[in-house]
Amino acid sequence: ETGVTQSPTHLIKTRGQQVTLRCSSQSGHNTVSWYQQALGQGPQFIFQYYREEENGRGNFPPRFSGLQFPNYSSELNVNALELDDSALYLCASSPWPPNEQFFGPGTRLTVL
Amino acid sequence: KQEVTQIPAALSVPEGENLVLNCSFTDSAIYNLQWFRQDPGKGLTSLLLIQSSQREQTSGRLNASLDKSSGRSTLYIAASQPGDSATYLCAAPGSSNTGKLIFGQGTTLQVKP
Repeated sequence: ETGVTQSPTHLIKTRGQQVTLRCSSQSGHNTVSWYQQALGQGPQFIFQYYREEENGRGNFPPRFSGLQFPNYSSELNVNALELDDSALYLCASSPWPPNEQFFGPGTRLTVL
Repeated sequence: KQEVTQIPAALSVPEGENLVLNCSFTDSAIYNLQWFRQDPGKGLTSLLLIQSSQREQTSGRLNASLDKSSGRSTLYIAASQPGDSATYLCAAPGSSNTGKLIFGQGTTLQVKP
């Protein structure tokens, strides 16, 4: 059984650029959630995808958007990058309804 | 609105000690609570999931308890080892059945040989 995978591992961008992060859910899981974790903080919920639709969103601006594909993998897109977007981005998958969630290794985004 | 707090923020203990990490939450209408381990710069590893109908859950040297009425959960680590050094996070659902997790800021544990 393959766990949650994320790509890329690390990414460096400059202010104003756009970035796409990718997540493959664990086998059998149809729900994907994205979290942002700033240094020294707990993860913050960005949004969740179920059946290719956004199913709940945290306190993040519209420049954070996402997609879920028929194979349940997901993308997180961030436009107009700001310095404060520098963080570890975590993806979690679960069956529906969500109970225990399983996290990927994360993507470290640095915005210069 | 669910809020999760973890105390202490950091803890340093000698190897072999038993220790307790604390987690408190404001909305007791939770259906589960999850404890995670995070090594520096890495993702989250699920340690224990306690359903609302349970009071305790055990895995090896780890034991997690849940008291919904007082809004508290504890993670007990027995006979700590240097390999237990990591940040421990607890997370409670933000609302029923949507899977949004609200995390505490974590307790960073250092176990000294």
